[in-house]
Order: sequence, then C-alpha cells, then structure tokens
Amino acid sequence: KNEVEQSPQNLTAQEGEFITINCSYSVGISALHWLQQHPGGGIVSLFMLSSGKKKHGRLIATINIQEKHSSLHITASHPRDSAVYICAGDNNNDMRFGAGTRLTVKP
Amino acid sequence: NAGVTQTPKFQVLKTGQSMTLQCAQDMNHNSMYWYRQDPGMGLRLIYYSASEGTTDKGEVPNGYNVSRLNKREFSLRLESAAPSQTSVYFCASRQGLNNEQFFGPGTRLTVL
Repeated sequence: KNEVEQSPQNLTAQEGEFITINCSYSVGISALHWLQQHPGGGIVSLFMLSSGKKKHGRLIATINIQEKHSSLHITASHPRDSAVYICAGDNNNDMRFGAGTRLTVKP
Repeated sequence: NAGVTQTPKFQVLKTGQSMTLQCAQDMNHNSMYWYRQDPGMGLRLIYYSASEGTTDKGEVPNGYNVSRLNKREFSLRLESAAPSQTSVYFCASRQGLNNEQFFGPGTRLTVL
C-alpha cells in the first residue's frame, strides 16, 4: 500500500462543475502539499497546509489531521483547470507523493 | 527572476556513461530537492539539501550523488547510468519547512 493515496485516478467533468480530489496518507507528516502539473509538464505549488482550510480563488484545500485525509476542491471548473493534481506528505523534508489525479474539464 | 533553472532539458546517455544534472535558484532559498518522475510511479525524492553544506538521502538515492555547491546550486550526478534511471528529473527549492516549493522545468533523461 502506498503511503499517500489519491482518488480518483482520472476525472472528467463538464465546465462549471464542482470538483473534489481526495488524498489519504498513512505516514506522519508536518504538512500536506497540493501541486498542479500542466500538460506541458511544469509543476506549480497550489497549497501547503498543516491544519484547517485554505482558499485561493476557485481552489479550496482542506485537511483533517485526525483522519489523515485532505481534499482539493475546484469550484466552477474551467477547461484551463485540466491538469494532473498531486498531493504530497511532507515529513520535515522527506516528501512522499501520491500518483496524481488527471482532471479533464470539457467545455 | 528566473526562479529554478535546470540544465540540460534533454539528454540521452548510453549505459555506463556518467553525467551531472545542474540546478540553480535565484530566490535565496535555503532548501533544495531532486525528484524523479516515472509513469505510474509519481514523483519520488532522490536527495535533498535542507541548507547550504548539508545533504540527505530521500526515498530513492541509490545510483545518485549530489553536491550543494553553494546556496544557489544543487547538482545531481549519475556515475554509471542504467536504463532504470530513464526518467524526468525535477529540481525544486523553498525557503524552509513552512514554505511551498518552487519547481524547475525538468530534465528528460533517456538511458539506452
């Protein structure tokens, strides 16, 4: 069993839909990261959180430390949100990654 | 600011050859990281440097060496390349433990 599990692996949505990507981890962590990998391969950090909830524009990330679970939500999805979303558990620099969720948003 | 830069962008090696992947950041970050990304495996940490002068092994360090040359630069060396090291390599940096990471554009390495 992987230390960081993401679901679903693939997700197709219609433009405007509310999207949820889930991440569960079995290791001890000091923080949880959400990353976005564009179709061209570049990786950008979306969130780093250790408790509660963070919001950037249409993106919301939550974490439940007791349940070892985090979610990434996208409201009013748009085709430009199509990418691979990756969660990572951060144990003081020892990073462990999920396999990623490939999101396709159709117009 | 260029952010995190990596050279080369692409490289083809023969089994047994050696090479060094270069990474540099201009954000005065303390910590730097090397990852590999393989289809179906996701990203995996090879080595990291929490601060200038220190390096530590990650999840998959075998077959690699690193050098934190100065605060800006962190290189990854393959002494004797193997086909199993065919991958996309990403360098990243951040100010410290409470900060997000910035990623370089990646190096696509093929070992024949």
